[in-house]
Amino acid sequence: KAGVTQTPRYLIKTRGQQVTLSCSPISGHRSVSWYQQTPGQGLQFLFEYFSETQRNKGNFPGRFSGRQFSNSRSEMNVSTLELGDSALYLCASSLYSSGGQGTGELFFGEGSRLTVL
Amino acid sequence: GNSVTQMEGPVTLSEEAFLTINCTYTATGYPSLFWYVQYPGEGLQLLLKATKADDKGSNKGFEATYRKETTSFHLEKGSVQVSDSAVYFCALISGTYKYIFGTGTRLKVLA
Repeated sequence: KAGVTQTPRYLIKTRGQQVTLSCSPISGHRSVSWYQQTPGQGLQFLFEYFSETQRNKGNFPGRFSGRQFSNSRSEMNVSTLELGDSALYLCASSLYSSGGQGTGELFFGEGSRLTVL
Repeated sequence: GNSVTQMEGPVTLSEEAFLTINCTYTATGYPSLFWYVQYPGEGLQLLLKATKADDKGSNKGFEATYRKETTSFHLEKGSVQVSDSAVYFCALISGTYKYIFGTGTRLKVLA
């Protein structure tokens, strides 16, 4: 069974640009969550999508947005990049939304490492 | 609000030493508690979990017991190996149905 796939794995952008990251969940998983990982802040929750609807949102500015497609693949977009957006962006999938049934286990991809210059 | 506090790292141990990584939490209701591990260059993966008070989660020689009275979920292993070197994250899900992660504790095991 294929795991969670994130693309691209590495990317470099400059301030002011925008970026789109993609996540393909495990087949059959309908929930996709996004996290920002930085050395100082640990894992910060960005948002969760379940069946194309945003279920939860973290405390990030509106420059961070996401969406989910009917095949459960998800994208997140960051506009007007700032230096502080440099981080590892992790996607995680699960069978159910974390508020629903199931084990609550998240399955993570390897991440997309964004560097903003 | 809900929160998870982990001990600061890095933790450096010799092979076969005893490991404890402390984790305490603040949550409304009755959270489920998790330990995730992140090996170098990889995403996180579930190590163990506990869903109610006094439950003990265990996997790969690691154990953690859900202690409601002390709001703790400390991770322990009796004899660590070099291959256990990784970053360990304590986490919870509670009423808001959002995962809350600790900041992570880096473990380095020396041969």
